[in-house]
Amino acid sequence: DAKTTQPNSMESNEEEPVHLPCNHSTISGTDYIHWYRQLPSQGPEYVIHGLTSNVNNRMASLAIAEDRKSSTLILHRATLRDAAVYYCILRDVDFGNEKLTFGTGTRLTIIP
Amino acid sequence: EAGVAQSPRYKIIEKRQSVAFWCNPISGHATLYWYQQILGQGPKLLIQFQNNGVVDDSQLPKDRFSAERLKGVDSTLKIQPAKLEDSAVYLCASSFSRTSTPGEQFFGPGTRLTVL
Repeated sequence: DAKTTQPNSMESNEEEPVHLPCNHSTISGTDYIHWYRQLPSQGPEYVIHGLTSNVNNRMASLAIAEDRKSSTLILHRATLRDAAVYYCILRDVDFGNEKLTFGTGTRLTIIP
Repeated sequence: EAGVAQSPRYKIIEKRQSVAFWCNPISGHATLYWYQQILGQGPKLLIQFQNNGVVDDSQLPKDRFSAERLKGVDSTLKIQPAKLEDSAVYLCASSFSRTSTPGEQFFGPGTRLTVL
């Protein structure tokens, strides 16, 4: 399985943008980049995904490097509710069965 | 739309006892997953069903863990007998189909198991 590398933890001030980095130097041409987050005492929830182009949705933006070896999840205006563990995952389609292999993620702390 | 339901939310047992967890996925979702999440780690896939068939159970400790999805809807995960290292949160997730939308899985709240 392709691997991702994320910082263990980050802090950000409330109402400021947050940039969460992810390195995936062994990504293959068909791997999608997915981001999930896990709020305290909840299951993970989908945030965003992309293949080559930058993506935006109501929750966040995903910036993908031109060589696809890294990506950045952008929260445009952090709130206290965004405090969570953020997982960067490469979607692996193995023999037609999609799999998500979670790492340890980045624990994001929002400072009021 | 109702989310993925799991029960119980918490369970405390002694080692060597048996335990079962139940999951009801989002209506219409063909694919169902069970994950184990040990404290401080990300979720680890235990087993994946497509309708009522197993498509991946490579990381399921089959000597003590079993899972079924008899009618292709809800599912149970059983541990018999439990060990101390089985203490974890067990998460159920579902998705529409194996490859129709790239990787969006919907997770339940999980069952927190403590083995004493």
